Amino acid sequence: GQQVMQIPQYQHVQEGEDFTTYCNSSTTLSNIQWYKQRPGGHPVFLIQLVKSGEVKKQKRLTFQFGEAKKNSSLHITATQTTDVGTYFCAGDDYKLSFGAGTTVTVRA
Amino acid sequence: DGGITQSPKYLFRKEGQNVTLSCEQNLNHDAMYWYRQDPGQGLRLIYYSQIVNDFQKGDIAEGYSVSREKKESFPLTVTSAQKNPTAFYLCASGVGNQPQHFGDGTRLSIL
Repeated sequence: GQQVMQIPQYQHVQEGEDFTTYCNSSTTLSNIQWYKQRPGGHPVFLIQLVKSGEVKKQKRLTFQFGEAKKNSSLHITATQTTDVGTYFCAGDDYKLSFGAGTTVTVRA
Repeated sequence: DGGITQSPKYLFRKEGQNVTLSCEQNLNHDAMYWYRQDPGQGLRLIYYSQIVNDFQKGDIAEGYSVSREKKESFPLTVTSAQKNPTAFYLCASGVGNQPQHFGDGTRLSIL
């Protein structure tokens, strides 16, 4: 069945630094979605990528969808304390499958 | 405001007891979903429903049951057959392959 793998599981970042989290699917995806879950909260939708090679930006966040539509990445520049949380990718083949998430902590 | 309401926020279950988690949405979404989240893990799909009076098993349906008698409601019952029910349960709704909207979740613990 469809599997979505996400790395790294944990990311400890110094405030102001950049980092990237990666998402890989065992199957080709029709689209990929990214969600953010703050500690104690619920997942909140960030963005959806549909086209092969698509790149979208939201302020300091850059999302990419691979050419083969089997992988994606989220790059955050100049990390802030407000970036703390767990970032999930979710691949949509015939149903939405969530990765295990990357939990981000920030050192001030 | 439109959204998804889950209740209760915290729930405790005794051995051998069935408990039901409520999920209501007023977003007019056709599809509704139940996920289970364990510490340090992603969301695992329990059941989903794409239309009223129809639902399908997800990846970890054993020990759970659902119903979809109304478009707005998708309650989840955690039965006594679920031997490890302690988790954070999230309900979501959506349309087609569009992004899902999540409720605030229910934390279930065993007494």
